[in-house]
Amino acid sequence: AQTVTQSQPEMSVQEAETVTLSCTYDTSENNYYLFWYKQPPSRQMILVIRQEAYKQQNATENRFSVNFQKAAKSFSLKISDSQLGDTAMYFCAFMNYGGSQGNLIFGKGTKLSVKP
Amino acid sequence: DGGITQSPKYLFRKEGQNVTLSCEQNLNHDAMYWYRQDPGQGLRLIYYSQIVNDFQKGDIAEGYSVSREKKESFPLTVTSAQKNPTAFYLCASTQAYNYGYTFGSGTRLTVV
Repeated sequence: AQTVTQSQPEMSVQEAETVTLSCTYDTSENNYYLFWYKQPPSRQMILVIRQEAYKQQNATENRFSVNFQKAAKSFSLKISDSQLGDTAMYFCAFMNYGGSQGNLIFGKGTKLSVKP
Repeated sequence: DGGITQSPKYLFRKEGQNVTLSCEQNLNHDAMYWYRQDPGQGLRLIYYSQIVNDFQKGDIAEGYSVSREKKESFPLTVTSAQKNPTAFYLCASTQAYNYGYTFGSGTRLTVV
């Protein structure tokens, strides 16, 4: 069974600085998708960034970028120029192409606090 | 605007009672999902449906039931058999798996 591990339950960063959130996953599949979701205090889940495993290039969305290391099964999220609005829970998630296709498997989350 | 509507936002249930959480989407998505969120546990899959009139159990289906009679609706019933139902429940849908899910705003269920 696939699993997703986020080893940092809580992190904090100063406004305007850079922070990296870690995520590792375990799978025997070769084709899959990876996602980072943000859950602010409103509890609305928001997709931050996604990565397709067959693409070697790391995904980037404005201030958010990932470091995808397929061999190491690692998928970290880097937030540059942190803003107060980035304060939220961040969840790493995995989805494979086949089998129970479409089922997202989530890590337990990292609580990020951005301090002024 | 297209999206997913969950209702109610807050729900209180007495022990021994069944309660139904509503999830409606106007995105024309085929697949819909129910997740449970507890502090420190992340999101765990309860049930999912990839097509009308068909649904599958997720990892923690015991004490829950669902139906999928219409494409846009996927209600979740929390039965009295669910031993610890107090949690935050999230509904989601997708049409293209590689784009991830769209989530509703959630329902907070409390047993009193």
